[in-house]
Amino acid sequence: DIVMTQSPDSLAVSLGERATINCKSSQSVLYSSNNKNYLAWYQQKPGQPPKLLIYWASARDSGVPDRFSGSGSGTDFTLTISSLQAEDVAVYYCQQYSTILRTFGQGTKVEIK
Amino acid sequence: EVQLVESGGGLVQPGRSLRLSCTASGFTFADYTMSWVRQAPGKGLEWVGFVRSEPYGGTTEYAASVKGRFTISRDNSKSVAYLQMNSLKTEDTAVYYCTRDGGRGFDSWGQGALVTVSS
Repeated sequence: DIVMTQSPDSLAVSLGERATINCKSSQSVLYSSNNKNYLAWYQQKPGQPPKLLIYWASARDSGVPDRFSGSGSGTDFTLTISSLQAEDVAVYYCQQYSTILRTFGQGTKVEIK
Repeated sequence: EVQLVESGGGLVQPGRSLRLSCTASGFTFADYTMSWVRQAPGKGLEWVGFVRSEPYGGTTEYAASVKGRFTISRDNSKSVAYLQMNSLKTEDTAVYYCTRDGGRGFDSWGQGALVTVSS
Protein backbone atom coordinates (compact mmCIF):
# COMPACT_ATOMS: atom_id res chain seq x y z
CA ASP A 1 0.00 0.00 0.00
CA ILE A 2 1.08 3.57 -0.58
CA VAL A 3 1.57 5.35 2.75
CA MET A 4 0.65 9.04 2.84
CA THR A 5 2.34 11.18 5.49
CA GLN A 6 1.24 14.73 6.22
CA SER A 7 3.11 17.43 8.09
CA PRO A 8 2.55 19.10 10.39
CA ASP A 9 -0.18 17.33 12.37
CA SER A 10 -1.57 20.72 13.34
CA LEU A 11 -0.85 24.37 12.76
CA ALA A 12 -2.16 27.69 14.00
CA VAL A 13 -2.12 30.63 11.60
CA SER A 14 -3.27 34.23 12.01
CA LEU A 15 -6.22 35.43 9.97
CA GLY A 16 -5.05 36.62 6.57
CA GLU A 17 -1.76 34.76 6.77
CA ARG A 18 -0.59 31.79 4.69
CA ALA A 19 -1.08 28.19 5.77
CA THR A 20 0.99 25.42 4.20
CA ILE A 21 0.39 21.68 4.56
CA ASN A 22 2.73 19.04 3.18
CA CYS A 23 1.96 15.53 2.02
CA LYS A 24 4.49 12.86 1.10
CA SER A 25 3.69 9.53 -0.53
CA SER A 26 5.81 6.41 -0.06
CA GLN A 27 5.90 5.92 -3.83
CA SER A 28 5.20 8.11 -6.81
CA VAL A 29 1.57 8.84 -7.69
CA LEU A 30 2.54 10.32 -11.07
CA TYR A 31 1.43 8.39 -14.13
CA SER A 32 3.90 8.97 -16.94
CA SER A 33 1.31 7.91 -19.53
CA ASN A 34 -0.80 11.02 -18.93
CA ASN A 35 1.55 13.11 -16.78
CA LYS A 36 -1.07 13.34 -14.03
CA ASN A 37 -0.55 13.09 -10.29
CA TYR A 38 -3.33 11.01 -8.72
CA LEU A 39 -3.49 13.13 -5.57
CA ALA A 40 -6.48 14.85 -3.96
CA TRP A 41 -6.99 17.18 -0.99
CA TYR A 42 -10.08 17.30 1.23
CA GLN A 43 -11.38 19.68 3.87
CA GLN A 44 -13.41 18.38 6.80
CA LYS A 45 -15.14 20.80 9.15
CA PRO A 46 -16.44 19.59 12.53
CA GLY A 47 -19.56 17.47 12.24
CA GLN A 48 -19.48 17.46 8.44
CA PRO A 49 -18.36 14.98 5.79
CA PRO A 50 -15.15 15.74 3.93
CA LYS A 51 -15.29 17.95 0.87
CA LEU A 52 -13.08 17.62 -2.20
CA LEU A 53 -10.92 20.72 -2.66
CA ILE A 54 -8.18 19.74 -5.11
CA TYR A 55 -7.70 16.85 -7.56
CA TRP A 56 -4.89 15.93 -9.97
CA ALA A 57 -2.70 17.60 -7.31
CA SER A 58 -3.47 21.13 -8.49
CA ALA A 59 -6.97 21.37 -10.01
CA ARG A 60 -9.53 23.15 -7.83
CA ASP A 61 -12.94 21.53 -7.61
CA SER A 62 -15.96 23.57 -8.63
CA GLY A 63 -16.77 26.37 -6.19
CA VAL A 64 -13.53 26.12 -4.21
CA PRO A 65 -12.13 29.60 -3.45
CA ASP A 66 -8.93 30.50 -5.28
CA ARG A 67 -7.08 31.05 -2.00
CA PHE A 68 -6.72 27.26 -1.97
CA SER A 69 -4.00 25.90 -4.23
CA GLY A 70 -2.22 22.58 -4.65
CA SER A 71 1.24 21.90 -5.99
CA GLY A 72 3.86 19.20 -6.24
CA SER A 73 4.58 16.09 -8.25
CA GLY A 74 5.72 12.51 -7.81
CA THR A 75 5.93 11.99 -4.06
CA ASP A 76 5.85 15.50 -2.55
CA PHE A 77 2.79 17.73 -2.48
CA THR A 78 1.62 20.93 -0.82
CA LEU A 79 -1.74 22.49 -0.05
CA THR A 80 -1.56 26.24 0.45
CA ILE A 81 -4.22 28.55 1.84
CA SER A 82 -2.95 31.94 0.74
CA SER A 83 -4.93 34.07 3.17
CA LEU A 84 -6.54 32.14 6.01
CA GLN A 85 -10.19 32.91 6.72
CA ALA A 86 -12.18 31.96 9.82
CA GLU A 87 -14.25 29.49 7.78
CA ASP A 88 -11.09 27.57 6.81
CA VAL A 89 -10.71 26.10 10.31
CA ALA A 90 -10.87 22.38 9.58
CA VAL A 91 -8.89 19.18 9.23
CA TYR A 92 -7.27 18.71 5.82
CA TYR A 93 -6.45 15.32 4.28
CA CYS A 94 -4.43 14.31 1.26
CA GLN A 95 -5.35 11.09 -0.56
CA GLN A 96 -3.84 9.11 -3.41
CA TYR A 97 -5.95 7.36 -6.02
CA SER A 98 -3.13 6.00 -8.19
CA THR A 99 -3.62 2.46 -6.91
CA ILE A 100 -6.69 0.32 -6.35
CA LEU A 101 -6.13 0.58 -2.59
CA ARG A 102 -6.85 4.24 -1.97
CA THR A 103 -5.06 5.74 1.03
CA PHE A 104 -5.31 8.94 3.05
CA GLY A 105 -2.85 10.97 5.04
CA GLN A 106 -3.46 11.18 8.79
CA GLY A 107 -4.86 14.72 8.58
CA THR A 108 -3.67 18.21 9.51
CA LYS A 109 -5.72 20.37 11.84
CA VAL A 110 -5.72 24.08 10.96
CA GLU A 111 -6.66 26.59 13.64
CA ILE A 112 -6.63 30.34 14.09
CA LYS A 113 -3.73 31.81 16.06
CA GLU B 1 -27.42 18.21 -7.73
CA VAL B 2 -25.60 15.07 -6.66
CA GLN B 3 -26.99 13.56 -3.46
CA LEU B 4 -25.89 10.50 -1.52
CA VAL B 5 -27.93 9.36 1.48
CA GLU B 6 -26.75 6.56 3.76
CA SER B 7 -29.10 4.51 5.90
CA GLY B 8 -29.02 1.40 8.07
CA GLY B 9 -26.56 2.41 10.77
CA GLY B 10 -27.01 1.59 14.43
CA LEU B 11 -25.82 -0.38 17.43
CA VAL B 12 -24.81 -4.00 16.85
CA GLN B 13 -23.11 -6.63 18.97
CA PRO B 14 -19.66 -7.96 18.10
CA GLY B 15 -19.83 -10.89 15.69
CA ARG B 16 -23.17 -9.81 14.24
CA SER B 17 -24.01 -8.33 10.83
CA LEU B 18 -25.34 -5.04 9.51
CA ARG B 19 -26.11 -3.70 6.04
CA LEU B 20 -25.78 -0.08 5.02
CA SER B 21 -27.48 1.41 1.99
CA CYS B 22 -26.51 4.45 -0.05
CA THR B 23 -29.23 5.97 -2.20
CA ALA B 24 -27.92 8.18 -4.99
CA SER B 25 -29.58 10.86 -7.08
CA GLY B 26 -28.64 13.67 -9.43
CA PHE B 27 -26.32 11.68 -11.70
CA THR B 28 -26.19 8.52 -13.82
CA PHE B 29 -25.44 6.08 -11.03
CA ALA B 30 -24.42 3.14 -13.22
CA ASP B 31 -21.58 5.17 -14.77
CA TYR B 32 -19.70 5.71 -11.51
CA THR B 33 -17.56 3.66 -9.17
CA MET B 34 -18.89 3.95 -5.62
CA SER B 35 -16.61 3.78 -2.59
CA TRP B 36 -17.20 3.47 1.15
CA VAL B 37 -14.93 5.41 3.50
CA ARG B 38 -15.07 5.20 7.30
CA GLN B 39 -13.96 7.37 10.17
CA ALA B 40 -13.58 6.02 13.68
CA PRO B 41 -14.48 8.46 16.49
CA GLY B 42 -11.86 11.21 16.66
CA LYS B 43 -9.72 9.54 14.00
CA GLY B 44 -8.83 10.00 10.35
CA LEU B 45 -10.32 8.66 7.14
CA GLU B 46 -9.98 5.04 6.01
CA TRP B 47 -11.02 3.74 2.59
CA VAL B 48 -13.09 0.56 3.01
CA GLY B 49 -13.64 -0.53 -0.58
CA PHE B 50 -15.44 0.11 -3.82
CA VAL B 51 -17.69 -1.35 -6.46
CA ARG B 52 -16.76 -0.44 -10.00
CA SER B 53 -19.16 1.11 -12.46
CA GLU B 54 -21.25 -0.99 -14.85
CA PRO B 55 -18.89 -0.40 -17.82
CA TYR B 56 -16.12 -1.92 -15.69
CA GLY B 57 -18.14 -4.95 -14.71
CA GLY B 58 -19.26 -3.90 -11.25
CA THR B 59 -16.34 -5.73 -9.64
CA THR B 60 -15.18 -4.97 -6.11
CA GLU B 61 -12.00 -4.22 -4.16
CA TYR B 62 -11.46 -4.00 -0.40
CA ALA B 63 -9.04 -2.76 2.20
CA ALA B 64 -7.15 -5.53 3.97
CA SER B 65 -8.83 -4.65 7.29
CA VAL B 66 -12.27 -5.67 6.00
CA LYS B 67 -11.54 -8.16 3.22
CA GLY B 68 -13.48 -11.39 3.72
CA ARG B 69 -15.91 -9.77 6.17
CA PHE B 70 -17.42 -6.88 4.20
CA THR B 71 -19.14 -7.03 0.81
CA ILE B 72 -20.02 -4.10 -1.40
CA SER B 73 -22.69 -4.41 -4.07
CA ARG B 74 -24.92 -2.19 -6.16
CA ASP B 75 -28.36 -2.14 -7.74
CA ASN B 76 -28.17 0.20 -10.70
CA SER B 77 -31.92 -0.04 -11.32
CA LYS B 78 -32.50 1.55 -7.92
CA SER B 79 -29.36 3.75 -7.80
CA VAL B 80 -28.34 2.14 -4.53
CA ALA B 81 -25.00 0.89 -3.25
CA TYR B 82 -24.76 -1.49 -0.31
CA LEU B 83 -22.17 -2.32 2.34
CA GLN B 84 -22.80 -5.68 3.95
CA MET B 85 -20.75 -5.99 7.13
CA ASN B 86 -20.37 -9.42 8.73
CA SER B 87 -18.42 -10.63 11.76
CA LEU B 88 -18.29 -7.10 13.10
CA LYS B 89 -15.59 -6.13 15.58
CA THR B 90 -15.47 -3.29 18.09
CA GLU B 91 -12.80 -1.65 15.93
CA ASP B 92 -15.33 -1.36 13.08
CA THR B 93 -17.12 1.34 15.10
CA ALA B 94 -17.12 4.39 12.85
CA VAL B 95 -19.10 6.78 10.71
CA TYR B 96 -19.40 5.17 7.28
CA TYR B 97 -19.52 7.50 4.30
CA CYS B 98 -20.75 6.62 0.84
CA THR B 99 -18.75 8.44 -1.82
CA ARG B 100 -18.74 8.84 -5.56
CA ASP B 101 -15.34 7.78 -6.85
CA GLY B 102 -15.25 9.89 -9.98
CA GLY B 103 -11.72 9.12 -11.16
CA ARG B 104 -10.45 12.35 -9.65
CA GLY B 105 -10.83 11.47 -5.99
CA PHE B 106 -14.04 11.21 -4.00
CA ASP B 107 -16.01 14.05 -5.49
CA SER B 108 -19.27 13.65 -3.58
CA TRP B 109 -19.95 12.40 -0.04
CA GLY B 110 -23.02 11.44 1.92
CA GLN B 111 -23.63 12.71 5.45
CA GLY B 112 -22.53 9.37 6.91
CA ALA B 113 -24.07 6.56 8.95
CA LEU B 114 -22.85 5.77 12.45
CA VAL B 115 -22.15 2.12 13.19
CA THR B 116 -21.43 1.24 16.81
CA VAL B 117 -20.20 -2.27 17.58
CA SER B 118 -20.54 -2.97 21.28
CA SER B 119 -21.90 -5.59 23.64
